[in-house]
Amino acid sequence: AQKVTQAQTEISVVEKEDVTLDCVYETRDTTYYLFWYKQPPSGELVFLIRRNSFDEQNEISGRYSWNFQKSTSSFNFTITASQVVDSAVYFCALRGFTGANSKLTFGKGITLSVRP
Amino acid sequence: EAGVAQSPRYKIIEKRQSVAFWCNPISGHATLYWYQQILGQGPKLLIQFQNNGVVDDSQLPKDRFSAERLKGVDSTLKIQPAKLEDSAVYLCASSLDSEIYEQYFGPGTRLTVT
Repeated sequence: AQKVTQAQTEISVVEKEDVTLDCVYETRDTTYYLFWYKQPPSGELVFLIRRNSFDEQNEISGRYSWNFQKSTSSFNFTITASQVVDSAVYFCALRGFTGANSKLTFGKGITLSVRP
Repeated sequence: EAGVAQSPRYKIIEKRQSVAFWCNPISGHATLYWYQQILGQGPKLLIQFQNNGVVDDSQLPKDRFSAERLKGVDSTLKIQPAKLEDSAVYLCASSLDSEIYEQYFGPGTRLTVT
């Protein structure tokens, strides 16, 4: 079965600090997709990014960047110059393509608190 | 574009009572999902519909949970009878199709069973 591990449970930083959220995954599928979602206090999960297993290029979107390393089965997320509005729970998720792996499997989430 | 709508936002019931949640997906989205999110955990898929057919309900406790998606649009998730361990947030999500498209989530219904 596929698995997503987010070892960090809570992170607290001061505004303008950089912060990296770690994600390690396990799957036997050769084709799969990785996702990051943000869940603010309002409760709605907000889609941030999707990467497929064949594309290991790092991606940057404004203050957000993602580092996908297949060799270590990791898909880490960095927020540069964090802001109070970044405070939320962040989930990493994995979707394979075979049988039971074709459903979205989430990690337990990382609670990020950004203090002014 | 309107997002995924869910109601109610909050519900408190006693154990053994029944409850129903409603979801209206994004217009044109063929795939609809119901997730259960227990406090401190990531969402867990309960059931997936493709149009009005069930694709995956392997993790749905069918002795007490049921769901339908009549006409392939709105969906209802029901729990009867509820147990204390059903206390959770129930999230509805939709996607254009079931393959590679990302899922868009609604605000969820927070259920408390006392």
